[in-house]
Amino acid sequence: LAKTTQPISMDSYEGQEVNITCSHNNIATNDYITWYQQFPSQGPRFIIQGYKTKVTNEVASLFIPADRKSSTLSLPRVSLSDTAVYYCLVAQGGGATNKLIFGTGTLLAVQP
Amino acid sequence: DGGITQSPKYLFRKEGQNVTLSCEQNLNHDAMYWYRQDPGQGLRLIYYSQIVNDFQKGDIAEGYSVSREKKESFPLTVTSAQKNPTAFYLCASSPSGLAYTNEQFFGPGTRLTVL
Repeated sequence: LAKTTQPISMDSYEGQEVNITCSHNNIATNDYITWYQQFPSQGPRFIIQGYKTKVTNEVASLFIPADRKSSTLSLPRVSLSDTAVYYCLVAQGGGATNKLIFGTGTLLAVQP
Repeated sequence: DGGITQSPKYLFRKEGQNVTLSCEQNLNHDAMYWYRQDPGQGLRLIYYSQIVNDFQKGDIAEGYSVSREKKESFPLTVTSAQKNPTAFYLCASSPSGLAYTNEQFFGPGTRLTVL
C-alpha cells in the first residue's frame, strides 16, 4: 500500500482558497487517490476521489499531475466550519476488498 | 433514513472485562469495517468483513474479536487481552465492487474508557 505524506497542520482565514498537498511517490497503477474530512469526535467523511488530472464536486477539487506522485485538495472559500483534519489516502479502487490506511492527516484551522 | 449507528456513544468498563460495541447499518452494504483512533492519530484498521459470515484481520486485530452473522450487523468485542483498549472506535461500511470508489460511510463512533 502506498505511503502518503502531507503537512501536519495548516492555517487559513475565512473566504480564502486552501490547497493541501499530499505526496505519494510509490503510487501503483491501480491506485486511486481519496480524501476524507474528519471533525473532532466524529467519523471521517468522504470528500473526493480521483485517478488523474482534475476532479471537481460541489465541495472540493482534486488536482493530480501526470506522474501521479502527488495530489492537491483544493477547498474554495473556506469557512470556520471547514476546520477539521483532512486525510489523503492512496489505495486500489474496489470498495469492499479495499484496505484504507488513514495517516495522521492535516489539521486545517480556519480563522475569522 | 439510511446510515450507520453505533452504540453506545460513551462506554466505561473496568480493566479485565470484555465489552461488545454495536454497529448496525441499513445501507445494504456488503462490507463493514472497524477502526480504532487514539488521540491525535489517524485511524487503524482492526477487522473488516466483505460478506456475511466472513471477516479478516486488519493491522491491529490482537485482543479483538468480531462476528458477521447478519449483513446489517458487525459487532466488535474488546477482550481483556487487549493491552490498551481505551480509544475511540469507529465502524464503517461500503458497497462492494460496483465501482472503483473508496468511499466508506462511518458511524458516529464509540468512545471506550477502561478504568
